[in-house]
Amino acid sequence: EVQLVESGGGVVQPGGSLRLSCAASGFTFITYTMNWVRQAPGKGLEWVSCISSSSTIYYADSVKGRFTISRDNAKNSLYLQMNSLRDEDTAVYYCARGGITSGSPGGYWGQGTLVTVSS
Amino acid sequence: DVVMTQSPPSLPVTLGQAASISCRSSQSLVHSDGNTYLNWFHQRPGQSPRRLFYKVSARDSGVPDRFSGSGSGTEFTLKISRVEAEDVGVYYCMQGSHWPPYTFGQGTKLEIK
Repeated sequence: EVQLVESGGGVVQPGGSLRLSCAASGFTFITYTMNWVRQAPGKGLEWVSCISSSSTIYYADSVKGRFTISRDNAKNSLYLQMNSLRDEDTAVYYCARGGITSGSPGGYWGQGTLVTVSS
Repeated sequence: DVVMTQSPPSLPVTLGQAASISCRSSQSLVHSDGNTYLNWFHQRPGQSPRRLFYKVSARDSGVPDRFSGSGSGTEFTLKISRVEAEDVGVYYCMQGSHWPPYTFGQGTKLEIK
């Protein structure tokens, strides 16, 4: 059974940093693109970043230069290092697996971890 | 970036009645490989999104056949033939043909009248 479990969320002041983790199990992690998608309170879904099986990386413009995605295939884990956090980064952050033919967020999502940026 | 526009924003439906959600893209979603990467997701209150369809009309495992996905180019539709109580929540379309970024529609909230 595919499982994605996020952790690392919490309350942080504007300008602060946080590192999110996503522990994956039930599939061959190394072969899949992985994504981070966020959802601000009461709002819609926003794609944040993805990292391919070969570690090619892309970011949304809203986080470029502040967030860093990475993966550790030996630990079956995905990470999101978030620096220079802003109020508008407050959201539930989901990790989502890509598919075989498309790396876009697909059929498997974690339960999410809440990041609150507030002074 | 490709803009995805859904309508209506809110959809009150009587149990057992049909429902339809429209999703339009700002440019054709036909990829250079010939596929159209348009997904539909359903998010129940307090839950993670669940994918219903990929590549317009390919149904994910466990999705009831009262749901159907259709469309081409820039116009796509999600239909529910007979709405049940478990169908409440927000429905999102998402394009994966022209990325980055992957872009979502703003959502359609389905509620029972």
